[in-house]
Amino acid sequence: DQQVKQNSPSLSVQEGRISILNCDYTNSMFDYFLWYKKYPAEGPTFLISISSIKDKNEDGRFTVFLNKSAKHLSLHIVPSQPGDSAVYFCAAPIQGAQKLVFGQGTRLTINP
Amino acid sequence: KAGVTQTPRYLIKTRGQQVTLSCSPISGHRSVSWYQQTPGQGLQFLFEYFSETQRNKGNFPGRFSGRQFSNSRSEMNVSTLELGDSALYLCASSLQINRVASGGELFFGEGSRLTVL
Repeated sequence: DQQVKQNSPSLSVQEGRISILNCDYTNSMFDYFLWYKKYPAEGPTFLISISSIKDKNEDGRFTVFLNKSAKHLSLHIVPSQPGDSAVYFCAAPIQGAQKLVFGQGTRLTINP
Repeated sequence: KAGVTQTPRYLIKTRGQQVTLSCSPISGHRSVSWYQQTPGQGLQFLFEYFSETQRNKGNFPGRFSGRQFSNSRSEMNVSTLELGDSALYLCASSLQINRVASGGELFFGEGSRLTVL
């Protein structure tokens, strides 16, 4: 059962424009959501998180929005830069466990 | 501060063999988790150790096992390898117990890429 889903395997965006990556979830008990970024031949690195009691969290060019009624979250990157080209994973911790469930990832390509 | 170190980075095995992967967490981190990444499946949780005890286990067959040593270093072992075990195996560490459950981040290594022929 895929509790966290990223339905877009890839996304291509022009440099300087906004990138919007989407994630849906089925488990309404998740307390937090996180986004990780992964470059080839490197491990994932933490990007930004949001608590389930908030609907927005911002960190520089990165903003995550949470819509609990729709069980949907999105990551906005503004403006997009070539260095943002990577695979982005959304993830959520299982309650009470030191364990993350991940989406399948979205490959973001920023075109110059 | 050194990051999470995984060895070997790449390895090739044949079906039926077994493999051992090693992970050294960030100094001071006592929680170590393992994840498997395959195309189309994202990252899937294998197991998590804290203070040499396995605290959580994912939905993988018994061929997948692991352990943690007193210095927090961890190993995972896959026996009787199958073609479907070809994947990137990622180790992650965190400072505190239940850090992830409270929204904290995991620090990942670069992974060990296993190819089974």
